[in-house]
Amino acid sequence: NAGVTQTPKFQVLKTGQSMTLQCAQDMNHEYMSWYRQDPGMGLRLIHYSVGAGITDQGEVPNGYNVSRSTTEDFPLRLLSAAPSQTSVYFCASSYWGTGGLGYTFGSGTRLTVV
Amino acid sequence: DAKTTQPNSMESNEEEPVHLPCNHSTISGTDYIHWYRQLPSQGPEYVIHGLTSNVNNRMASLAIAEDRKSSTLILHRATLRDAAVYYCAHYRSNYGGSQGNLIFGKGTKLSVKP
Repeated sequence: NAGVTQTPKFQVLKTGQSMTLQCAQDMNHEYMSWYRQDPGMGLRLIHYSVGAGITDQGEVPNGYNVSRSTTEDFPLRLLSAAPSQTSVYFCASSYWGTGGLGYTFGSGTRLTVV
Repeated sequence: DAKTTQPNSMESNEEEPVHLPCNHSTISGTDYIHWYRQLPSQGPEYVIHGLTSNVNNRMASLAIAEDRKSSTLILHRATLRDAAVYYCAHYRSNYGGSQGNLIFGKGTKLSVKP
């Protein structure tokens, strides 16, 4: 049982480049989300999805796009990378349910934009 | 917006109990309280969550104040493997209360001394 798989684990981008961070889960979770983690800032919600075809913005959505075409996959796209997007990115998933039934996180993607 | 505040760091001795506090003075009546922990170079890991009553599981106990403005994560006997960053989060409901998002605090770094 793989859980939540994120690829790549590390990435270096030049300013202005685009890339997609991949996230896949094999637990049939309806809910998936992306967080970024910066020193001293904790985890901040970027985008989330409550099912295939449904996405919405979190606290810090600017500069990021998402789509959810299948239950399993929730990619995060950076259209034009900026140094401010240097961060560690975590994908999480959970079942749909009141109270949040415990999120499962991936191991993260460490992104550096130079 | 509801926010959580936690001490930046705490120290504990091995095999002693640890009480990790969290203030969430503006939490709404339907927001669940969650705790996660993050080991170095890993994604956050679910520990426990609750709404109004104290909760216990194999990892820890969660004590929620009667007014719900604060909570305490209790590790009954700290081990060296419990050294991690512990995040308090509130689960903000939307979609009519059937789903929501986790909003994290900035975390407490717990050090455990042998």
